[in-house]
Amino acid sequence: DMKVTQMPRYLIKRMGENVLLECGQDMSHETMYWYRQDPGLGLQLIYISYDVDSNSEGDIPKGYRVSRKKREHFSLILDSAKTNQTSVYFCASSPDWGEGAEQFFGPGTRLTVL
Amino acid sequence: AQKVTQTQTSISVMEKTTVTMDCVYETRDSSYFLFWYKQTASGEIVFLIRQDSYKKENATEGHYSLNFQKPKSSIGLIITATQIEDSAVYFCAMRASSSFSKLVFGQGTSLSVVP
Repeated sequence: DMKVTQMPRYLIKRMGENVLLECGQDMSHETMYWYRQDPGLGLQLIYISYDVDSNSEGDIPKGYRVSRKKREHFSLILDSAKTNQTSVYFCASSPDWGEGAEQFFGPGTRLTVL
Repeated sequence: AQKVTQTQTSISVMEKTTVTMDCVYETRDSSYFLFWYKQTASGEIVFLIRQDSYKKENATEGHYSLNFQKPKSSIGLIITATQIEDSAVYFCAMRASSSFSKLVFGQGTSLSVVP
């Protein structure tokens, strides 16, 4: 069963706390992504990972970092969360057969930073 | 830089009719891929259909089809015989061959199908 999972699904944190969002996929996809979604802005790419320990900044990486130590697992870390990082975060993965490959998305994590 | 624009914020149509959602894109790459994704009310995002820039034929997938007008940098999504469950937000996206697998999304169009 091909799927992308995200944990937790909902999270409330206070400003200044650290946040760890986790993503897993069971399709052995090399490429994984983290996006955030805000009303009216669509999906914005935070980081992309091409494989284990091969990560690249997306369009809005400031305030975030990532970790990928296993192909099936990709983490998003917010060190000292800020209120403007309140958003819905989506993880995605895609197979590596070419640029035409579609992305498979996780169910999203709704993060609220108070 | 790549850019994708969806100017229609929301559309409402009657069930069983045909709807077209607009999308225009900007890229300097000669090779690129255009995608449409659907986000349901539950937040789930699923891939619908893809158009390869080098293909002249419009892609079709079930009751989804594309209107690819390359000279206008336009890729419209056409849904025929709409159903209530087609109500969702639809995102257009582009991946250029030089983008290192990065996907750029439009702002989304909210479709409401009413009985």
